[in-house]
Amino acid sequence: DAGVTQSPTHLIKTRGQQVTLRCSPKSGHDTVSWYQQALGQGPQFIFQYYEEEERQRGNFPDRFSGHQFPNYSSELNVNALLLGDSALYLCASSLAGGANTEAFFGQGTRLTVV
Amino acid sequence: AQSVTQLDSQVPVFEEAPVELRCNYSSSVSVYLFWYVQYPNQGLQLLLKYLSGSTLVKGINGFEAEFNKSQTSFHLRKPSVHISDTAEYFCAVSDWGSGNTGKLIFGQGTTLQVKP
Repeated sequence: DAGVTQSPTHLIKTRGQQVTLRCSPKSGHDTVSWYQQALGQGPQFIFQYYEEEERQRGNFPDRFSGHQFPNYSSELNVNALLLGDSALYLCASSLAGGANTEAFFGQGTRLTVV
Repeated sequence: AQSVTQLDSQVPVFEEAPVELRCNYSSSVSVYLFWYVQYPNQGLQLLLKYLSGSTLVKGINGFEAEFNKSQTSFHLRKPSVHISDTAEYFCAVSDWGSGNTGKLIFGQGTTLQVKP
């Protein structure tokens, strides 16, 4: 079982550019959540996708958008990058369910905006 | 809204000594609590979780945690730490109230530094 895989592992972008991060969930999982982890901070929930739709969203601007494909993989898109978007972006997969569902995390994508 | 407070940003400890990492949460509804560990340049790995039942939860790598509803705490403990336990530890609560989706709310993290 490959677990949750994210690509790329590292990325450097310039302010104002757009970026796409990718995530493949753990085998058998149908729900993908994205988190942003700034340096020295805990992860913050961006949004969650289930059945190809955004099911819940955190306190992030519309510049952050996502997509889920029929095979349950997901993309996170960030437009008009700001320096403050520099962070580790974590993808977590789970089985659709309630608040007691265990989430499995990928290794993350380190985004640096210069 | 739910929140998680990790009371110590850094905890230095000598190898083979016991350790406790403190976590308090706020919630007005049923909660599910988790501890994750993050090694340098890696993602999060689940150490243990409290869903229901016994308030003493055992996890991987010799860690355990006790859910205390009256104190709204979920402290993580290990009786004897190893150098390899040096990492960042995150306490998290799952949000039952808003959508029941399994969204995790994390604390700020505690850096455990194990010294030889």
